[in-house]
Amino acid sequence: DTGVSQDPRHKITKRGQNVTFRCDPISEHNRLYWYRQTLGQGPEFLTYFQNEAQLEKSRLLSDRFSAERPKGSFSTLEIQRTEQGDSAMYLCASSSLAGGEVGELFFGEGSRLTVL
Amino acid sequence: QKEVEQDPGPLSVPEGAIVSLNCTYSNSAFQYFMWYRQYSRKGPELLMYTYSSGNKEDGRFTAQVDKSSKYISLFIRDSQPSDSATYLCASLYNQGGKLIFGQGTELSVKP
Repeated sequence: DTGVSQDPRHKITKRGQNVTFRCDPISEHNRLYWYRQTLGQGPEFLTYFQNEAQLEKSRLLSDRFSAERPKGSFSTLEIQRTEQGDSAMYLCASSSLAGGEVGELFFGEGSRLTVL
Repeated sequence: QKEVEQDPGPLSVPEGAIVSLNCTYSNSAFQYFMWYRQYSRKGPELLMYTYSSGNKEDGRFTAQVDKSSKYISLFIRDSQPSDSATYLCASLYNQGGKLIFGQGTELSVKP
């Protein structure tokens, strides 16, 4: 078990471009979460999936953000027409309903987005 | 108002000190309370969790929840330089739901 992996680790883009991040959760974990974290702040919830179903999406998330989890395995987070305010660390986490501690999310090391 | 509020610090203490980290929350529906630790350039990792009110101890760490005052605390005894990290409190409505995080407190333990 290699943990949650995210790619790319760092992305620099120009305003207006589209970016896509990928997350590979721990195998057999049926829940997958996306969070965003800016400097000096805690992770802010964006969306989460149970298997391939997207169960909740934050009201703070604009229509420029979309996430998918086809086949209930890896997930992608796409940001269209990026803005400078999108610059942040995008964290992916996974968990299993079947075991582990309550509230235990296993986080990846994040994908840092810089929008110029 | 954020659902979980946390003093961002930074907090600097000498090695061996007792550290107290605190959060407040606004939503009485929260049932589970967690503390995560985040080292620089890493993702958060679960340190402890508590269900409802009460205390939970794990080695040098004690988590405390007072639902009547909506107050969450983490105490670290005999703090070590390796404890230097950002500590995030988090709350959960029910098992399997989404975690709501505080903004984190940056702790530095000086040798």
